[in-house]
Amino acid sequence: DIQMTQSPPVLSASVGDRVTLSCKASQNINKNLDWYQQKHGEAPKLLIYYTNNLQTGIPSRFSGSGSGTDYTLTISSLQPEDVATYYCYQYNSGPTFGAGTKLELK
Amino acid sequence: QVKLLQSGAALVKPGDSVKMSCKASGYTFTDYIIHWVKQSHGKSLEWIGYINPYSGGTNYNEKFKSKATLTVDKSSSTAYMEFSRLTSEDSAIYYCARWIGGFDYWGQGVMVTVSS
Repeated sequence: DIQMTQSPPVLSASVGDRVTLSCKASQNINKNLDWYQQKHGEAPKLLIYYTNNLQTGIPSRFSGSGSGTDYTLTISSLQPEDVATYYCYQYNSGPTFGAGTKLELK
Repeated sequence: QVKLLQSGAALVKPGDSVKMSCKASGYTFTDYIIHWVKQSHGKSLEWIGYINPYSGGTNYNEKFKSKATLTVDKSSSTAYMEFSRLTSEDSAIYYCARWIGGFDYWGQGVMVTVSS
């Protein structure tokens, strides 16, 4: 199975900060990676698909990048409504989610 | 608009089975694969498997192969997942989600509690 390691597990940041979340795969996943946002008590929401494609309706402050085994979700200017847990998901082989990064306001 | 409406919460006894539903609306049901995802309390997400509503073809996570059975009823645009031989480890929220290269629509989730 491909293991997805997200870091950091918890991130505290201030409104307006540029925030970077990391996801590292145990082997090359050929950019077959999505990012999801999950707020408390809600289903996950698709933010980014295939590494760097912004899902319709998602604010442009969200962006994704990466290749091979290393992937990044960036929020260019953190907003209060971005408080959530963020998961990466690889579907290159035997789909797996990362453990998540919990994003909090400082 | 696209919606995936899942069945209600279930309280089941250890050893029992549970069958949950995911009714799709707002799009052509057979055009998109439906996946199922497990989220244990306070934990991350696990992919269970998927079903192609057009062909009925399925693919399962090895971990859930003997536990989950995915089916569809095309006439009612509904996907089903049956979970068998339940244990406390199966207490979780179960989501269905539509796949377009990402999971663009999700059901609201079904909370399953396994308790005697």
